Amino acid sequence: DAGVIQSPRHEVTEMGQEVTLRCKPISGHNSLFWYRQTMMRGLELLIYFNNNVPIDDSGMPEDRFSAKMPNASFSTLKIQPSEPRDSAVYFCAVSGEWGDTQYFGPGTRLTVL
Amino acid sequence: GENVEQHPSTLSVQEGDSAVIKCTYSDSASNYFPWYKQELGKGPQLIIDIRSNVGEKKDQRIAVTLNKTAKHFSLHITETQPEDSAVYFCAAVNDYKLSFGAGTTVTVRA
Repeated sequence: DAGVIQSPRHEVTEMGQEVTLRCKPISGHNSLFWYRQTMMRGLELLIYFNNNVPIDDSGMPEDRFSAKMPNASFSTLKIQPSEPRDSAVYFCAVSGEWGDTQYFGPGTRLTVL
Repeated sequence: GENVEQHPSTLSVQEGDSAVIKCTYSDSASNYFPWYKQELGKGPQLIIDIRSNVGEKKDQRIAVTLNKTAKHFSLHITETQPEDSAVYFCAAVNDYKLSFGAGTTVTVRA
């Protein structure tokens, strides 16, 4: 998993609750991505950071989703309030200066009841 | 935007045989084509990649070919082993945007 740490690995919550997913990339990667994977839609890019700055958030589904990257070694994806349709596996990925070769973390499986 | 089609969706092969997965893309600006292997409960793992200025690349039992004119690229796995069983994704990349195929579930029968 290329040294990308994601937590928690599994999250079960009830509809309406706030969910925060975390990603800790290893140093040396300038770019960070959040993806969502579902059976119906496959892998979707949610947001892309370069040097800690959000570059492309066009994939964020709606205002309930927000992401931050306060420094080069930490990022969060927050869903508030959560809904059952948010149930999916969320991946964090990193890449180097070219931004194309992306390495994925192990993912967080989110279940919203 | 980019549209990547991947075939077949499932592939069952006898151990020792070869497996071939084919992908097509639509955006001629895409210039980088990685392949990922995803095992159950894990994130996609990069197994091989090819850039648009190269026609073929090989790494042990895995090879990838690219035909830019026809906009298609393929993954070849030779001498398949049970540990090759997984879901394989092709992708086409333009700048930082990675467009994935729908995936191929490969099962290697012992």
